[in-house]
Amino acid sequence: QSALTQPASVSGSPGQSITISCTGTIRDLGGYNSVSWYQQHPGKAPKLIIYEVRNRPSGVSSRFSGSKSGNTASLTISGLQAEDEADYYCSSYRSTTPVVFGGGTKLTVL
Amino acid sequence: HVQLVESGGGLVKPGGSLRLSCAASGFTFSDYYMSWIRQAPGKGLEWVSYISSSGSSIYYADSVKGRFTISRDNAKNSLYLQMNRLRAEDSAVYYCVRDPSQVQDWPAWYFDNWGQGTLVTVSS
Repeated sequence: QSALTQPASVSGSPGQSITISCTGTIRDLGGYNSVSWYQQHPGKAPKLIIYEVRNRPSGVSSRFSGSKSGNTASLTISGLQAEDEADYYCSSYRSTTPVVFGGGTKLTVL
Repeated sequence: HVQLVESGGGLVKPGGSLRLSCAASGFTFSDYYMSWIRQAPGKGLEWVSYISSSGSSIYYADSVKGRFTISRDNAKNSLYLQMNRLRAEDSAVYYCVRDPSQVQDWPAWYFDNWGQGTLVTVSS
């Protein structure tokens, strides 16, 4: 069982917006702003798309945005495109571990 | 252009050992924390180990503590993972990753560059 909880799958149609949640505890998501998100296409290495809750690395589309409320972080993808179909993982600092990941969410673009 | 190239993966019997290497280029390797992250086939990501830029601070996941050893050679721009007493559940693709923090003694706790990974299979 993963330390952070994500839905196994989400789906959306092109042009729509979707949100992926990531739930933790006060020991990780709720207590720190070291929340990051990664996109992974099949057979490829993960790619950083959000860091420190809401920051985008250079080159990442502005369609990707992150937020956090309490013990839950969220990744929103707006204007869904076919190329967004991938697995998405959240991650957080945790005082005892010190890095934990969510179990991953498979995004299907219908 | 940051490049991280892993090597050393392969098939090993339970109880055996393997040493992974990661050759880094395109950045000042000695300035950065580095880490290993693994992904079992069809499964999610699991953080394995962290090492500070100087090698003086090291962290391990509980699942590998006492069996795996992370190290680095800044003169060779290389990161290593010595894996002993391997188990079937250690089978995974192992990624060499960079933590972007350049603050001494404190990582950023996220990973901005990933290698392509090297596959480790533990099976009799």
